Amino acid sequence: GEDVEQSLFLSVREGDSSVINCTYTDSSSTYLYWYKQEPGAGLQLLTYIFSNMDMKQDQRLTVLLNKKDKHLSLRIADTQTGDSAIYFCAEREGGFKTIFGAGTRLFVKA
Amino acid sequence: GAVVSQHPSWVICKSGTSVKIECRSLDFQATTMFWYRQFPKQSLMLMATSNEGSKATYEQGVEKDKFLINHASLTLSTLTVTSAHPEDSSFYICSARGGGTGDEQFFGPGTRLTVL
Repeated sequence: GEDVEQSLFLSVREGDSSVINCTYTDSSSTYLYWYKQEPGAGLQLLTYIFSNMDMKQDQRLTVLLNKKDKHLSLRIADTQTGDSAIYFCAEREGGFKTIFGAGTRLFVKA
Repeated sequence: GAVVSQHPSWVICKSGTSVKIECRSLDFQATTMFWYRQFPKQSLMLMATSNEGSKATYEQGVEKDKFLINHASLTLSTLTVTSAHPEDSSFYICSARGGGTGDEQFFGPGTRLTVL
Protein backbone atom coordinates (compact mmCIF):
# COMPACT_ATOMS: atom_id res chain seq x y z
CA GLY A 1 0.00 0.00 0.00
CA GLU A 2 0.94 3.62 0.06
CA ASP A 3 3.64 4.68 2.47
CA VAL A 4 5.19 7.99 3.46
CA GLU A 5 8.44 8.07 5.41
CA GLN A 6 10.32 10.89 7.05
CA SER A 7 13.04 11.26 9.62
CA LEU A 8 11.69 11.65 13.13
CA PHE A 9 13.87 14.40 14.53
CA LEU A 10 15.82 17.47 13.39
CA SER A 11 17.67 19.99 15.51
CA VAL A 12 18.97 23.30 14.12
CA ARG A 13 20.25 26.59 15.48
CA GLU A 14 18.15 29.72 15.21
CA GLY A 15 18.93 31.54 11.97
CA ASP A 16 20.11 28.42 10.14
CA SER A 17 18.16 26.68 7.41
CA SER A 18 16.19 23.53 8.18
CA VAL A 19 15.67 20.81 5.61
CA ILE A 20 13.09 18.14 6.30
CA ASN A 21 13.03 15.18 3.94
CA CYS A 22 10.26 12.80 2.97
CA THR A 23 9.93 9.82 0.65
CA TYR A 24 6.72 8.31 -0.64
CA THR A 25 5.84 5.22 -2.60
CA ASP A 26 2.68 6.05 -4.54
CA SER A 27 3.69 7.12 -8.02
CA SER A 28 0.13 8.23 -8.76
CA SER A 29 0.22 10.94 -6.10
CA THR A 30 -1.25 14.14 -7.42
CA TYR A 31 -0.73 16.41 -4.42
CA LEU A 32 2.06 16.49 -1.86
CA TYR A 33 1.66 18.50 1.33
CA TRP A 34 3.56 19.82 4.28
CA TYR A 35 1.64 20.36 7.50
CA LYS A 36 2.77 21.88 10.79
CA GLN A 37 1.48 20.74 14.15
CA GLU A 38 2.20 22.65 17.33
CA PRO A 39 1.82 20.92 20.72
CA GLY A 40 -1.77 20.00 21.52
CA ALA A 41 -3.10 21.50 18.31
CA GLY A 42 -4.44 20.34 14.99
CA LEU A 43 -2.63 20.49 11.69
CA GLN A 44 -1.94 23.64 9.78
CA LEU A 45 -1.34 23.40 6.06
CA LEU A 46 1.98 25.10 5.31
CA THR A 47 2.30 24.50 1.62
CA TYR A 48 1.61 21.98 -1.09
CA ILE A 49 2.94 21.10 -4.49
CA PHE A 50 1.34 19.49 -7.48
CA SER A 51 3.06 16.41 -8.78
CA ASN A 52 3.81 18.08 -12.11
CA MET A 53 5.96 20.72 -10.40
CA ASP A 54 9.49 20.33 -9.11
CA MET A 55 9.78 23.40 -6.93
CA LYS A 56 7.62 25.84 -5.07
CA GLN A 57 8.71 28.80 -3.00
CA ASP A 58 6.59 30.65 -0.49
CA GLN A 59 8.41 33.26 1.60
CA ARG A 60 10.79 31.30 3.88
CA LEU A 61 9.55 27.94 2.65
CA THR A 62 10.92 26.07 -0.36
CA VAL A 63 9.51 22.74 -1.44
CA LEU A 64 11.51 20.52 -3.78
CA LEU A 65 10.00 17.50 -5.47
CA ASN A 66 12.00 14.79 -7.21
CA LYS A 67 9.27 12.73 -8.77
CA LYS A 68 11.67 10.15 -10.20
CA ASP A 69 13.03 9.33 -6.75
CA LYS A 70 9.69 10.04 -5.01
CA HIS A 71 11.48 12.44 -2.70
CA LEU A 72 10.02 15.61 -1.23
CA SER A 73 11.80 18.16 0.92
CA LEU A 74 10.85 21.26 2.86
CA ARG A 75 13.45 23.93 3.45
CA ILE A 76 12.80 26.60 6.05
CA ALA A 77 15.14 29.56 5.68
CA ASP A 78 16.23 31.60 8.71
CA THR A 79 14.64 29.15 11.13
CA GLN A 80 13.12 30.76 14.22
CA THR A 81 12.22 29.30 17.63
CA GLY A 82 8.57 29.66 16.64
CA ASP A 83 9.18 27.13 13.90
CA SER A 84 9.66 24.41 16.52
CA ALA A 85 6.88 21.92 15.85
CA ILE A 86 6.15 18.61 14.18
CA TYR A 87 6.12 18.71 10.40
CA PHE A 88 4.09 16.14 8.52
CA CYS A 89 4.63 15.20 4.93
CA ALA A 90 1.50 13.87 3.21
CA GLU A 91 0.56 12.64 -0.21
CA ARG A 92 -2.77 12.30 -1.87
CA GLU A 93 -3.62 10.18 -4.83
CA GLY A 94 -6.42 10.96 -7.22
CA GLY A 95 -9.08 9.98 -4.70
CA PHE A 96 -9.91 11.39 -1.30
CA LYS A 97 -7.45 9.64 0.94
CA THR A 98 -4.44 11.55 2.22
CA ILE A 99 -1.56 9.48 3.62
CA PHE A 100 0.58 11.09 6.32
CA GLY A 101 4.14 10.40 7.33
CA ALA A 102 5.01 9.92 11.00
CA GLY A 103 6.11 13.52 11.37
CA THR A 104 9.51 15.18 11.88
CA ARG A 105 10.00 16.91 15.19
CA LEU A 106 11.92 20.15 14.55
CA PHE A 107 13.75 21.61 17.52
CA VAL A 108 15.23 25.09 17.13
CA LYS A 109 17.97 26.08 19.54
CA ALA A 110 18.28 29.76 20.42
CA GLY B 1 -8.60 30.38 5.26
CA ALA B 2 -11.57 28.22 6.19
CA VAL B 3 -12.07 27.40 9.86
CA VAL B 4 -12.93 24.07 11.42
CA SER B 5 -13.77 23.84 15.10
CA GLN B 6 -14.01 20.88 17.42
CA HIS B 7 -15.82 20.53 20.71
CA PRO B 8 -14.83 19.68 23.31
CA SER B 9 -11.11 20.35 23.13
CA TRP B 10 -10.53 17.79 25.85
CA VAL B 11 -12.67 15.31 27.73
CA ILE B 12 -12.12 12.86 30.55
CA CYS B 13 -14.63 10.09 31.03
CA LYS B 14 -15.10 6.86 32.93
CA SER B 15 -14.66 3.52 31.26
CA GLY B 16 -17.91 2.26 29.77
CA THR B 17 -19.41 5.65 29.03
CA SER B 18 -19.95 7.16 25.58
CA VAL B 19 -18.41 10.40 24.41
CA LYS B 20 -19.52 12.60 21.53
CA ILE B 21 -17.11 14.88 19.70
CA GLU B 22 -18.39 17.58 17.36
CA CYS B 23 -16.67 18.92 14.28
CA ARG B 24 -17.98 22.06 12.63
CA SER B 25 -17.00 23.96 9.52
CA LEU B 26 -17.59 27.57 10.46
CA ASP B 27 -17.46 29.45 7.19
CA PHE B 28 -17.90 26.90 4.45
CA GLN B 29 -20.04 23.91 3.62
CA ALA B 30 -18.17 20.69 4.22
CA THR B 31 -19.30 18.09 1.76
CA THR B 32 -16.66 15.69 3.06
CA MET B 33 -15.34 15.29 6.57
CA PHE B 34 -12.56 13.07 7.82
CA TRP B 35 -11.89 11.71 11.28
CA TYR B 36 -8.35 10.90 12.35
CA ARG B 37 -6.82 9.42 15.44
CA GLN B 38 -3.35 10.34 16.60
CA PHE B 39 -1.36 8.48 19.24
CA PRO B 40 1.46 10.27 21.06
CA LYS B 41 4.45 10.93 18.81
CA GLN B 42 2.77 9.16 15.93
CA SER B 43 1.15 10.19 12.72
CA LEU B 44 -2.52 10.64 11.96
CA MET B 45 -4.47 7.50 11.25
CA LEU B 46 -7.54 7.98 9.11
CA MET B 47 -10.53 6.37 10.80
CA ALA B 48 -13.34 7.21 8.43
CA THR B 49 -14.55 9.49 5.68
CA SER B 50 -18.06 10.86 5.66
CA ASN B 51 -20.05 12.66 3.03
CA GLU B 52 -23.01 14.75 4.07
CA GLY B 53 -26.21 12.75 4.16
CA SER B 54 -24.65 9.35 3.61
CA LYS B 55 -23.05 6.67 5.74
CA ALA B 56 -19.43 7.00 6.67
CA THR B 57 -16.78 4.87 5.00
CA TYR B 58 -14.56 3.29 7.64
CA GLU B 59 -10.94 2.31 7.19
CA GLN B 60 -9.94 -1.27 7.66
CA GLY B 61 -9.64 -2.22 11.31
CA VAL B 62 -11.85 0.59 12.60
CA GLU B 63 -14.98 -0.68 14.34
CA LYS B 64 -18.00 1.14 12.98
CA ASP B 65 -20.13 0.12 15.95
CA LYS B 66 -17.53 1.50 18.31
CA PHE B 67 -16.92 4.79 16.53
CA LEU B 68 -20.24 6.15 15.33
CA ILE B 69 -20.01 8.93 12.79
CA ASN B 70 -22.89 11.15 11.79
CA HIS B 71 -22.57 13.81 9.10
CA ALA B 72 -26.09 15.18 9.32
CA SER B 73 -25.51 18.61 7.82
CA LEU B 74 -23.02 20.43 5.63
CA THR B 75 -21.44 22.08 8.66
CA LEU B 76 -21.51 19.40 11.33
CA SER B 77 -20.13 15.92 11.81
CA THR B 78 -20.05 14.02 15.08
CA LEU B 79 -17.92 11.14 16.29
CA THR B 80 -19.31 9.12 19.19
CA VAL B 81 -16.96 6.77 20.98
CA THR B 82 -19.29 4.19 22.47
CA SER B 83 -18.50 2.27 25.64
CA ALA B 84 -15.11 3.92 25.84
CA HIS B 85 -12.15 2.07 27.32
CA PRO B 86 -8.69 3.29 28.33
CA GLU B 87 -7.24 2.08 25.03
CA ASP B 88 -9.52 4.55 23.25
CA SER B 89 -7.64 7.41 24.89
CA SER B 90 -6.14 9.41 22.06
CA PHE B 91 -6.13 12.70 20.20
CA TYR B 92 -9.00 12.81 17.70
CA ILE B 93 -8.75 15.26 14.83
CA CYS B 94 -11.34 16.05 12.20
CA SER B 95 -10.84 17.75 8.88
CA ALA B 96 -13.23 19.05 6.29
CA ARG B 97 -13.24 19.71 2.62
CA GLY B 98 -15.98 21.41 0.68
CA GLY B 99 -17.31 24.09 -1.58
CA GLY B 100 -14.93 26.95 -2.04
CA THR B 101 -11.97 25.18 -0.46
CA GLY B 102 -10.87 23.45 -3.63
CA ASP B 103 -9.11 20.27 -2.73
CA GLU B 104 -7.68 21.55 0.50
CA GLN B 105 -8.52 19.88 3.78
CA PHE B 106 -8.87 22.13 6.79
CA PHE B 107 -8.15 20.58 10.15
CA GLY B 108 -9.81 21.11 13.47
CA PRO B 109 -7.73 21.75 16.59
CA GLY B 110 -8.29 18.22 17.89
CA THR B 111 -9.98 16.68 20.92
CA ARG B 112 -7.96 14.92 23.57
CA LEU B 113 -9.92 12.02 25.03
CA THR B 114 -8.79 10.38 28.25
CA VAL B 115 -10.69 7.35 29.45
CA LEU B 116 -10.10 6.40 33.08
